[in-house]
Amino acid sequence: GNSVTQMEGPVTLSEEAFLTINCTYTATGYPSLFWYVQYPGEGLQLLLKATKADDKGSNKGFEATYRKETTSFHLEKGSVQVSDSAVYFCALSDRGNNQAGTALIFGKGTTLSVSS
Amino acid sequence: NAGVTQTPKFQVLKTGQSMTLQCAQDMNHNSMYWYRQDPGMGLRLIYYSASEGTTDKGEVPNGYNVSRLNKREFSLRLESAAPSQTSVYFCASSLSTGANSPLHFGNGTRLTVT
Repeated sequence: GNSVTQMEGPVTLSEEAFLTINCTYTATGYPSLFWYVQYPGEGLQLLLKATKADDKGSNKGFEATYRKETTSFHLEKGSVQVSDSAVYFCALSDRGNNQAGTALIFGKGTTLSVSS
Repeated sequence: NAGVTQTPKFQVLKTGQSMTLQCAQDMNHNSMYWYRQDPGMGLRLIYYSASEGTTDKGEVPNGYNVSRLNKREFSLRLESAAPSQTSVYFCASSLSTGANSPLHFGNGTRLTVT
C-alpha cells in the first residue's frame, strides 16, 4: 500500500543553520506530495505541495522538489529561525483532483527545535 | 474567520464511558475527516466524509462512529471508551478529497481515558 517515511527526530539546530528533513514515499500511480507543519498547541497547516514530478513547492523560505526517480520529497530551508520550531509532516495523496477517495497519508512527523 | 472548530479542547473519561467530539467548519467545504495523533505514529485516519450524506472508514475505525450531521458538522462518537483511545483527535476539512484540495485542521481535542 501507499506509505510515507520521514527521518526520525528530533532535529536540533542553531538559528541560521541549514535544514533538511528527508521524506520518501511508496505509492502506485502518480501521487501529489505535501509538507504540513504543526506549531505547538495547534492543528496542522499546509506548508507546501507539489503535484507532479520535478515540481518544486515553496513557501516561507522552505522548499521541496518532487523527485520521482528517487521517490523523495525532502524539505529544505537555507536559514532556520527560532519561530520554525515545530513538527513537520510529509504526506501524499494518490487521488486525482476530481476523484473521491481516501484522504492524505501522513508520515510520522519530524520535530524541529531551533535555538538562538 | 473561524475555520475548523473542535469542542471540547480537553476531556477525561473513565473506561466504558461514552462521549461525542464535535467539529464544525465554516468554509463551505464538502469533505471532512477525523484523525488521531499518537506519539511516534503520526496522524492516522479514523473516518472521513467525502460529501454530505456519505461516510467511510479510514485506517483505524474500530471503536468509533461518525455522523455527518449537515455540510458544516461532522461528529465522532466513542460508545465505550478504552485506554487505547487516549490520543489527540483532529478534525479537518477540504473542498474535496482530490489532490489539489489542502486540508484545514482544527486545533485538536486531547482525550485521556483512565
